[in-house]
Amino acid sequence: EAGVVQSPRYKIIEKKQPVAFWCNPISGHNTLYWYRQNLGQGPELLIRYENEEAVDDSQLPKDRFSAERLKGVDSTLKIQPAELGDSAVYLCASSAHPTVTNYGYTFGSGTRLTVV
Amino acid sequence: AQSVSQHNHHVILSEAASLELGCNYSYGGTVNLFWYVQYPGQHLQLLLKYFSGDPLVKGIKGFEAEFIKSKFSFNLRKPSVQWSDTAEYFCAVNAANQFYFGTGTSLTVIP
Repeated sequence: EAGVVQSPRYKIIEKKQPVAFWCNPISGHNTLYWYRQNLGQGPELLIRYENEEAVDDSQLPKDRFSAERLKGVDSTLKIQPAELGDSAVYLCASSAHPTVTNYGYTFGSGTRLTVV
Repeated sequence: AQSVSQHNHHVILSEAASLELGCNYSYGGTVNLFWYVQYPGQHLQLLLKYFSGDPLVKGIKGFEAEFIKSKFSFNLRKPSVQWSDTAEYFCAVNAANQFYFGTGTSLTVIP
C-alpha cells in the first residue's frame, strides 16, 4: 500500500507568490484532511473533505487559501498570495470513515513550505 | 473549546531510562485517544490508540499508555528508551468527531 502521497516534499517561494500542494489519499479513503503544522506545534486542521464535499473548512483562511477535491480522490491546497507566516509543514491525512476508525488517521510525509 | 495539553515540551533522557509523557484533555463526553510519533524528517505515525475496554493500551515499539478517565489523562510510557526513540510525540483526542492535537513533546535520548 502506497500510503498517503504528498508532493512536493519541500517548497521555497518568495512572499506574494502562489503555491500549491497535492495529496493523494489511500485508495478507498473517503475522508481527507489538510493540516498545517507550525514549528514546535501540533497539527491544526485546515479543511476536511467527505468525498468531494468540504464539510469543515472553518479554520481555513479563505482570503488566501483554497482547496479542492473535484473527483473525491486526490486534493490540492493552494495559497495565493503566500505570506511569511505561512511557512509551515502542510500535512494531508485520510481515513476510511468520517469518524475516526480503529486505525486512526494515516498521514502523508507533508510539504515543508518556506516563504522568504 | 476543547483542548489537549502536553505539559512536557522537551524531555532529555539517557538510554535505558524510563519515560512518561503527560497528556490531559478537556472534554466531558466520550473520547478516542491517540499518541502519534514523528521521527526527524518523517511523517506522523500512530503509536497507539484507545477506543474502549482495557484502559491500559499497548502500542508499537514497547510503548504503552493508560487512560484515566477521572483525571482526563492519557499518559504515554516506556520502561526503557532507546536512542532511536528520539522524536516528537503528539497526543491527540477525537471528541464529537473533531480531532485535536497537543503541541507535542520533543524527546531526545542520549546514547
